[in-house]
Amino acid sequence: NAGVTQTPKFQVLKTGQSMTLQCAQDMNHNSMYWYRQDPGMGLRLIYYSASEGTTDKGEVPNGYNVSRLNKREFSLRLESAAPSQTSVYFCAMRQGWSTDTQYFGPGTRLTVL
Amino acid sequence: GQQVMQIPQYQHVQEGEDFTTYCNSSTTLSNIQWYKQRPGGHPVFLIQLVKSGEVKKQKRLTFQFGEAKKNSSLHITATQTTDVGTYFCAGSAAGNKLTFGGGTRVLVKP
Repeated sequence: NAGVTQTPKFQVLKTGQSMTLQCAQDMNHNSMYWYRQDPGMGLRLIYYSASEGTTDKGEVPNGYNVSRLNKREFSLRLESAAPSQTSVYFCAMRQGWSTDTQYFGPGTRLTVL
Repeated sequence: GQQVMQIPQYQHVQEGEDFTTYCNSSTTLSNIQWYKQRPGGHPVFLIQLVKSGEVKKQKRLTFQFGEAKKNSSLHITATQTTDVGTYFCAGSAAGNKLTFGGGTRVLVKP
């Protein structure tokens, strides 16, 4: 997807392991978001960042931490992965100042055993 | 908090037929957006509605925003196999966040 990249594309973890999901955007937008999508479900907001250096909790923040060190990058960290965190994780960015439209990255498919 | 519900959860459609999916918010929205997600893909923006009672068309897709700005609908005419996917509505009440509905998964029978 133009503008938003995510790494890795796939990941398998064991319970208790930690990992960081990376997201980067090249369109110089302020707002970035992390969602999770469970099978057959909608998108639930984990954390978002309205601007560099600021982060806020979304609907399901427990078990996650985020970091917005610069305008381009917004990372999501799982400190101690649990099977309930098996999901597809999407990063998104807000398209512009005058709209709430969001561009999504291709997603990271995470399995926790 | 704000909740957005979509019905139906699944829509099985014969190719060539029409169908409508509905979206309802627990709170008044400043705008509503629709996204489409193909199987295995990511959500892709379709359209944004801002005004009360607004109707927008994209080829065979017609989107409507309710007068009270709490509900919306997506109507697809002459369904094609390319319409397969999950359609999400997402509402914005204020600020930076969108609340997504659970989606309507569309399956097309040729």
